[in-house]
Amino acid sequence: KAGVTQTPRYLIKTRGQQVTLSCSPISGHRSVSWYQQTPGQGLQFLFEYFSETQRNKGNFPGRFSGRQFSNSRSEMNVSTLELGDSALYLCASSPTGTANTEAFFGQGTRLTVV
Amino acid sequence: QKEVEQDPGPLSVPEGAIVSLNCTYSNSAFQYFMWYRQYSRKGPELLMYTYSSGNKEDGRFTAQVDKSSKYISLFIRDSQPSDSATYLCAMSAINNNDMRFGAGTRLTVKP
Repeated sequence: KAGVTQTPRYLIKTRGQQVTLSCSPISGHRSVSWYQQTPGQGLQFLFEYFSETQRNKGNFPGRFSGRQFSNSRSEMNVSTLELGDSALYLCASSPTGTANTEAFFGQGTRLTVV
Repeated sequence: QKEVEQDPGPLSVPEGAIVSLNCTYSNSAFQYFMWYRQYSRKGPELLMYTYSSGNKEDGRFTAQVDKSSKYISLFIRDSQPSDSATYLCAMSAINNNDMRFGAGTRLTVKP
């Protein structure tokens, strides 16, 4: 069974640009959550999508947005990039999203903003 | 004060030692308690989870939750060099996929 796939693995962008990250969940999983991981703040919840609807949102500015497609694949977009957006972005998929005990993470996309 | 507190270490132990990793939390709504292991340049891997209070054992790993003290622990018996990684505690309320993570403890097991 294939795991959670995130693309691209590495990305370098310039301040002010925008970026789109992709996450393909485990087959059959309908919930996708996104997290930002930095050395200073650790892992922080961005948002969660279930059946194409955003069900939960963390405390991040509106520059961070996402969406989910009918096949459960999800994309995350960051507009007007800032240096502080440099981080490892992780997505986690789970079957129903009612229990985090079944959440599986991808390897992440490492974003560097210069 | 952070919602979840975890000593970032680093923690270095000899092979075969018993390792104790701990987290404290402040939100009494948390009901699910998870431990993840993260190797360098990899995503977190779910090790164990516990619902509400109690103990859970899986091979060399034992997770304990004490909700009255808002304190959770992960014990690793007979630690191996392959256990060297960062261990993250995570917790969430019921029907809420917003997991709150500890800072992670970096563990090194020396042969």
